[in-house]
Amino acid sequence: KAGVTQTPRYLIKTRGQQVTLSCSPISGHRSVSWYQQTPGQGLQFLFEYFSETQRNKGNFPGRFSGRQFSNSRSEMNVSTLELGDSALYLCASSLASGGDYNEQFFGPGTRLTVL
Amino acid sequence: AQSVAQPEDQVNVAEGNPLTVKCTYSVSGNPYLFWYVQYPNRGLQFLLKYITGDNLVKGSYGFEAEFNKSQTSFHLKKPSALVSDSALYFCAVRDSRGGYNKLIFGAGTRLAVHP
Repeated sequence: KAGVTQTPRYLIKTRGQQVTLSCSPISGHRSVSWYQQTPGQGLQFLFEYFSETQRNKGNFPGRFSGRQFSNSRSEMNVSTLELGDSALYLCASSLASGGDYNEQFFGPGTRLTVL
Repeated sequence: AQSVAQPEDQVNVAEGNPLTVKCTYSVSGNPYLFWYVQYPNRGLQFLLKYITGDNLVKGSYGFEAEFNKSQTSFHLKKPSALVSDSALYFCAVRDSRGGYNKLIFGAGTRLAVHP
């Protein structure tokens, strides 16, 4: 079974631009979560989507948004990029959301560099 | 507030010796605890989880973790370390508020296994 895939793997943008990252979960998984990983702040939860609905949101500004499609693929968008948005963005998929907990499987991440 | 602490930035151990990576947690209600490992330029790989049941949890690659409710700890252990175990290890707890899939991660501990 194929794992979680994220595209692109690397991205370089300049301040003020916007960016869209994509995540394809494991087949059959309906929950997709996004995390930001930086050396200073570590791993921080961005949001979770389940059945095309945002279930939970972390403490990030409104410049960070996401969506999920009917095939469970998810995208996250960051508008008006800032230098501090440079990070590894990780996507994780899970069978379900909450309840009897299912472990999350992480993709390789997208490395975003903002110049 | 719910949180996870990994008190050691780095742990050094000789190959063949036992290793321990420490984790303490603070949550309301019953904790759902996890260990993940991250290799360079890779996403997070799931090692093991504690939901309920036996306090000693066995996971992937020979790792195990001991849940101690009185000390609010969930230390990762391995009887005999391998050089290939060198990586970044994260302890995480599921945020019990909302009942969804949000994970709260510790800062990470870098494990260095020397030949």
